[in-house]
Amino acid sequence: AQSVSQHNHHVILSEAASLELGCNYSYGGTVNLFWYVQYPGQHLQLLLKYFSGDPLVKGIKGFEAEFIKSKFSFNLRKPSVQWSDTAEYFCAVNTNAGKSTFGDGTTLTVKP
Amino acid sequence: GAVVSQHPSWVICKSGTSVKIECRSLDFQATTMFWYRQFPKQSLMLMATSNEGSKATYEQGVEKDKFLINHASLTLSTLTVTSAHPEDSSFYICSVSQSEPYNEQFFGPGTRLTVL
Repeated sequence: AQSVSQHNHHVILSEAASLELGCNYSYGGTVNLFWYVQYPGQHLQLLLKYFSGDPLVKGIKGFEAEFIKSKFSFNLRKPSVQWSDTAEYFCAVNTNAGKSTFGDGTTLTVKP
Repeated sequence: GAVVSQHPSWVICKSGTSVKIECRSLDFQATTMFWYRQFPKQSLMLMATSNEGSKATYEQGVEKDKFLINHASLTLSTLTVTSAHPEDSSFYICSVSQSEPYNEQFFGPGTRLTVL
């Protein structure tokens, strides 16, 4: 069975700081990878996704993630965070149609 | 992407009663829906896969007699928490998934259940 590990439980940054959230998965086969975001009081929404092709994927709001197959990693990055990026971030792996495994989540707090 | 709604958005009930939560796919015919449970400050835990016209597939450790799932149409799945207890208090989220090869999920807003 696949599993997902997010290294950072809670990250606190000041505005304009750079962000990198780690995500590692364990699964030997082909995977689809996702980052979801949950803003306070809102439901989960997709930030970005990787299925195949260019391992560097760009998502909404200036976020990007890089798939490194040899490291089983899919880290999320943003060069300069904003206060509005304060949210919970979840990495997810999908190997069967629609059934995803989520990491434990990382709470990002951006100080204005 | 698909738009998913849930009803109610929050519910408070007494211990021992049953609660039904609806999940609707508003613009997408979903043969498969998923039910998750999320505890505070924790990740989503998949409870079951709801299949239209057939029995749901439950994850290990999830009591199927406790959490009844009905997926009667392509746009509606229901989760009934039977004989609810305080430990069932949680945030329940449903999602729908597009077909292969794109397995992106679209989530409902969730239902907050509090059992007194």
